Amino acid sequence: QKEVEQNSGPLSVPEGAIASLNCTYSDRGSQSFFWYRQYSGKSPELIMFIYSNGDKEDGRFTAQLNKASQYVSLLIRDSQPSDSATYLCAVKGDYKLSFGAGTTVTVRA
Amino acid sequence: EPEVTQTPSHQVTQMGQEVILRCVPISNHLYFYWYRQILGQKVEFLVSFYNNEISEKSEIFDDQFSVERPDGSNFTLKIRSTKLEDSAMYFCASSDGRTSGDYNEQFFGPGTRLTVL
Repeated sequence: QKEVEQNSGPLSVPEGAIASLNCTYSDRGSQSFFWYRQYSGKSPELIMFIYSNGDKEDGRFTAQLNKASQYVSLLIRDSQPSDSATYLCAVKGDYKLSFGAGTTVTVRA
Repeated sequence: EPEVTQTPSHQVTQMGQEVILRCVPISNHLYFYWYRQILGQKVEFLVSFYNNEISEKSEIFDDQFSVERPDGSNFTLKIRSTKLEDSAMYFCASSDGRTSGDYNEQFFGPGTRLTVL
């Protein structure tokens, strides 16, 4: 069983729409969850972290966590062409981050 | 703004050769990491390093890999005898070790692209 799974994508949304990204994880004891953005050929860049059940909002981004369902999501509101990237879900263990394969988002102008 | 730096940006080597990838973590950070990403695949954890010793390593991090913090600023990854399948982007990361809420952001460097021929 994969540790971290993301909806495979790619996901194409029109400019101004909401992009919805999903992630599930296998380790029920996991406590911290991260969303990174990765542009092609670049390193991962942290967008948000969340460790409490519920929603966390930061600007146009909202992370949602449901530990009972072992589910994390990221909503991108008012999507912009600059949001076109691969979004990586990561789950923290003792030290390491375990990444999902990523979901590629394309925002159409 | 402080950032993690890595050198070189691209390394080409022959199979069987040794390579050393270099990283300068953010200066007040205590935890250091190496990850790799094979083209088109996910980011994979290799090793974490704290207080001058390995704190965790993955199955990928076998005897051909080693890490070192030779001075107060550099953090290196050595691959002793490179294989074709070692071709990947290698990312160094660092974190400051705060554990409040178990939040511990890892800041990633720009990566070194290793090509093994």
